[in-house]
Amino acid sequence: ILNVEQSPQSLHVQEGDSTNFTCSFPSSNFYALHWYRWETAKSPEALFVMTLNGDEKKKGRISATLNTKEGYSYLYIKGSQPEDSATYLCAFKTSGTYKYIFGTGTRLKVLA
Amino acid sequence: NAGVMQNPRHLVRRRGQEARLRCSPMKGHSHVYWYRQLPEEGLKFMVYLQKENIIDESGMPKERFSAEFPKEGPSILRIQQVVRGDSAAYFCASSPLSGAEAFFGQGTRLTVV
Repeated sequence: ILNVEQSPQSLHVQEGDSTNFTCSFPSSNFYALHWYRWETAKSPEALFVMTLNGDEKKKGRISATLNTKEGYSYLYIKGSQPEDSATYLCAFKTSGTYKYIFGTGTRLKVLA
Repeated sequence: NAGVMQNPRHLVRRRGQEARLRCSPMKGHSHVYWYRQLPEEGLKFMVYLQKENIIDESGMPKERFSAEFPKEGPSILRIQQVVRGDSAAYFCASSPLSGAEAFFGQGTRLTVV
């Protein structure tokens, strides 16, 4: 059974702090990893699609890295703002399958 | 270009009734995924469909649940004879290609009373 784990489960940081969280996945037969941002009462919003070992993606203050050999991805938020408060999900896909397996997310709360 | 549309947003059914959840993918997207979020749990894969084909239904309960994505019209997730344990948020996502980023709808929250 493929399992995707995210840590920490939840996180409170002060406005202006930088933070990061981890997504761990099986390293064999890797195909792609997606990061999503999910605000309460809204739909998950895609942040990054990562496919190659060593990939680094950036969008504003948010960036992500990928290590497919050891099976992890990091999401970094620089200078956190209250509007960054959300649940951050990663979803993993192996080659030869169609489904994405989601982690349970990291709930981030940025305190003003 | 409207996003992924799900309706209804909220659905209340009595035990034993049928629930029909609809998902209209983004324009140009022919791949649809259904996920379920049970209370206090993450998103669990249910089924992946392309137009007129079920590609992977490994996450669907064996009984009472079915899904379709006809040539014309929305994708439908159908739950027959609902039970209290079916109460959950059901999310649909669409993508233009199998590995591309998926765009999610806002979900249908099913409550079985």
